Amino acid sequence: QVQLVESGGGLVKPGGSLRLSCAASGFTFSDYYMSWIRQAPGKGLEWISYISHSSSTIYYADSVKGRFTISRDNAKKSLYLQMNSLRAEDTAVYFCARDQGISDYWGQGTLVTVSS
Amino acid sequence: DIQMTQSPSSLSASVGDRVTITCRSSQSISISLNWYQQKPGTAPKLLIYAASNLQSGVPSRFSGSGSGTDFTLTISSLQPEDFATYYCQQSYSTRTFGQGTKVEIK
Repeated sequence: QVQLVESGGGLVKPGGSLRLSCAASGFTFSDYYMSWIRQAPGKGLEWISYISHSSSTIYYADSVKGRFTISRDNAKKSLYLQMNSLRAEDTAVYFCARDQGISDYWGQGTLVTVSS
Repeated sequence: DIQMTQSPSSLSASVGDRVTITCRSSQSISISLNWYQQKPGTAPKLLIYAASNLQSGVPSRFSGSGSGTDFTLTISSLQPEDFATYYCQQSYSTRTFGQGTKVEIK
């Protein structure tokens, strides 16, 4: 069965960095685009980035462009999100999702809290 | 960037009611529109893809329609397990979610 498991969340100070990981299983990871989506406490969903099968196509939302970097390792079946220059407004649950134009499988999310 | 606007932001309904949620895009997105359901503390669940296609395992009381800029999610007879927040998402150009519609018990 398809599984996506995020890790790497935690408490970080403003201006700090964090790297999130998403471990995939149960499907051919290298066949799919992957996305990161976040949800601030009590707020709606915000798509923040996606990456193509071979990493040749990458897009970011304006809110994270220049600060966040998405990457993947198909051999390790893993997706990553490097988050730099973190701000209080980046506090959210971060989800990874399989993306084929639709996000049909999601991880359980990992909480990132940016606070001094 | 394509903006997505859902209405209403929230609604109160009773079990058995017919519920309709609308989603409007800032430009034409053909049928590149998906609907998700989210319950508190859990990841979103895909309900409808490509505007009107029911995801496998989703009850037939859920349906979607529309194309271009105007889309609708309909629940034909609301069940207790349907009280949740619903989001539309466009996949025509990158991705954008609507702000969500919370369906509460009347």
